[in-house]
Amino acid sequence: ILNVEQSPQSLHVQEGDSTNFTCSFPSSNFYALHWYRWETAKSPEALFVMTLNGDEKKKGRISATLNTKEGYSYLYIKGSQPEDSATYLCALYILTGGGNKLTFGTGTQLKVEL
Amino acid sequence: EAGVTQFPSHSVIEKGQTVTLRCDPISGHDNLYWYRRVMGKEIKFLLHFVKESKQDESGMPNNRFLAERTGGTYSTLKVQPAELEDSGVYFCASSGNSYNSPLHFGNGTRLTVT
Repeated sequence: ILNVEQSPQSLHVQEGDSTNFTCSFPSSNFYALHWYRWETAKSPEALFVMTLNGDEKKKGRISATLNTKEGYSYLYIKGSQPEDSATYLCALYILTGGGNKLTFGTGTQLKVEL
Repeated sequence: EAGVTQFPSHSVIEKGQTVTLRCDPISGHDNLYWYRRVMGKEIKFLLHFVKESKQDESGMPNNRFLAERTGGTYSTLKVQPAELEDSGVYFCASSGNSYNSPLHFGNGTRLTVT
């Protein structure tokens, strides 16, 4: 069983705060690390796909870093806004004997309050 | 381009009945995944098609679940007979052929078994 862990499980911040959360994963057989944003009553939406150790990606106020050697990725949100409230999922892409597989973490639920 | 579409959006059936969910991936996407989210818990992998072949079906809970993707286009997921614990939201996603291709999710089918 492949464990992709995210922390914290949930987070409440005030509008304007910057925040970050963690995705931890086993570093063997690593191919790619995906981040998705999942708003309530919608479907997950891709934020980033990261493949190289040391990768850093940015999309507006959201950025992510990747450390494949130690098996973690951080997602940062600068100046949180209420519309950032969502569940943020990371997913690990590995190549197994049976083919490739994308395994999701449990998610970090972010609530941004006014 | 048209996104991933799923049908129906909601289904309410009685225990013991049969339900078939359908997913139409983005045209040209060889990879098609089924995932399930049960009662607000994490999103769980069910299976993965590459074209018409089942690449990985390790997440299928039991033999009451049958997935097909005839001709490598749309996919169906049949639950027969349905049990109460099968209730949840079933998501389909498709992606291109590279490991760094993000998943594009459908809006999901909310299945309620009573």
